[in-house]
Amino acid sequence: SAVISQKPSRDICQRGTSLTIQCQVDSQVTMMFWYRQQPGQSLTLIATANQGSEATYESGFVIDKFPISRPNLTFSTLTVSNMSPEDSSIYLCSVPVRGADTQYFGPGTRLTVL
Amino acid sequence: EDQVTQSPEALRLQEGESSSLNCSYTVSGLRGLFWYRQDPGKGPEFLFTLYSAGEEKEKERLKATLTKKESFLHITAPKPEDSATYLCAVQAPGSGGSNYKLTFGKGTLLTVNP
Repeated sequence: SAVISQKPSRDICQRGTSLTIQCQVDSQVTMMFWYRQQPGQSLTLIATANQGSEATYESGFVIDKFPISRPNLTFSTLTVSNMSPEDSSIYLCSVPVRGADTQYFGPGTRLTVL
Repeated sequence: EDQVTQSPEALRLQEGESSSLNCSYTVSGLRGLFWYRQDPGKGPEFLFTLYSAGEEKEKERLKATLTKKESFLHITAPKPEDSATYLCAVQAPGSGGSNYKLTFGKGTLLTVNP
């Protein structure tokens, strides 16, 4: 199984600022995924990050709000821009399980926006 | 639009009291149904993948089954350490561009009292 770490584990931010979340995997993977888990809501896919190409965003999510970088096969960042209290959520990255159709998840970043 | 509904939202059991969690889904072209366990402050932990109606998977006290419209997670003689949120997800061709998109339900919070 893949070992996934995220930084920071939690943060409290002011409205209007931006936060960059890092995701590190212990093995090379082609795709990495970013999810949001809002209180009382289901895990929702934000975007898929492929190394060497632009991220693919799901309906309702835009690059200006959630820019993603994927500089190599083991690392990705998600930035939450111009934050508002509605962005308070847990943000998780995941990678595909080799040989299966499911994903391993990181521990998540708990973000609170005041 | 793909939909996943889990019930009940919360379930409280006594140790040793068996029960089932339900996951009903509406999806075009199901590729797989997945069960995850999520402990507080952690990312989801993969449990099972089911691909076709009639399929069953078992792991310790857990057994997952799949029909054409729903999946059940049966918990036999649960222990307090089984307390967690159990998430169900389906995979179908992505609407926003990802062929690996997982659509999650909101989860069932299981509490097992000693």
